[in-house]
Amino acid sequence: EAGVTQFPSHSVIEKGQTVTLRCDPISGHDNLYWYRRVMGKEIKFLLHFVKESKQDESGMPNNRFLAERTGGTYSTLKVQPAELEDSGVYFCASSQDLRGWEQYFGPGTRLTVT
Amino acid sequence: AQSVTQLGSHVSVSEGALVLLRCNYSSSVPPYLFWYVQYPNQGLQLLLKYTTGATLVKGINGFEAEFKKSETSFHLTKPSAHMSDAAEYFCAVSALIKAAGNKLTFGGGTRVLVKP
Repeated sequence: EAGVTQFPSHSVIEKGQTVTLRCDPISGHDNLYWYRRVMGKEIKFLLHFVKESKQDESGMPNNRFLAERTGGTYSTLKVQPAELEDSGVYFCASSQDLRGWEQYFGPGTRLTVT
Repeated sequence: AQSVTQLGSHVSVSEGALVLLRCNYSSSVPPYLFWYVQYPNQGLQLLLKYTTGATLVKGINGFEAEFKKSETSFHLTKPSAHMSDAAEYFCAVSALIKAAGNKLTFGGGTRVLVKP
């Protein structure tokens, strides 16, 4: 069974540009989470999807971040326009159980904004 | 609100020695506690979790953790370190606040170096 995959693994962009991160959850997992770790700090929750619906987006830092999950399969996280403080590692996780006790994480996308 | 504190961002242990990683949490409701490990270039992998029941929890790769409510702690131990244990370890807390999609709150992580 394939695990959670994320693309790209690394992205380097300039301030003001747009970047789109993609996450493919484990097949059959309705729950999809995005987390972010900024430069050695804690990993922080961004948002949670159940299928294609956003259940909780309380962690989204501002309106420059847009997450989608069309058709309830893969998800994208777009940052537009990117700022220096957006640099970090973006993790995606998926879960089959509704409560989210077994979250399977992808390897992350390392985003560097220069 | 919930929070997690991991004491020590870096820990160095000798191969064969005890591994002890400390985690203290704060939660206004009964917590659910997790330890994750991240090996280089990989995603976070669940080591073990405490939800309810027995307070001593055994996980993969010989790790175990004990939930101590009175101390608000969930320390991770392994009796004998192996070179393959070199990784970053994260303690996380959640709570059954909602029926679905309970987010994880992480500590800052502890990077473990194993010396031969």
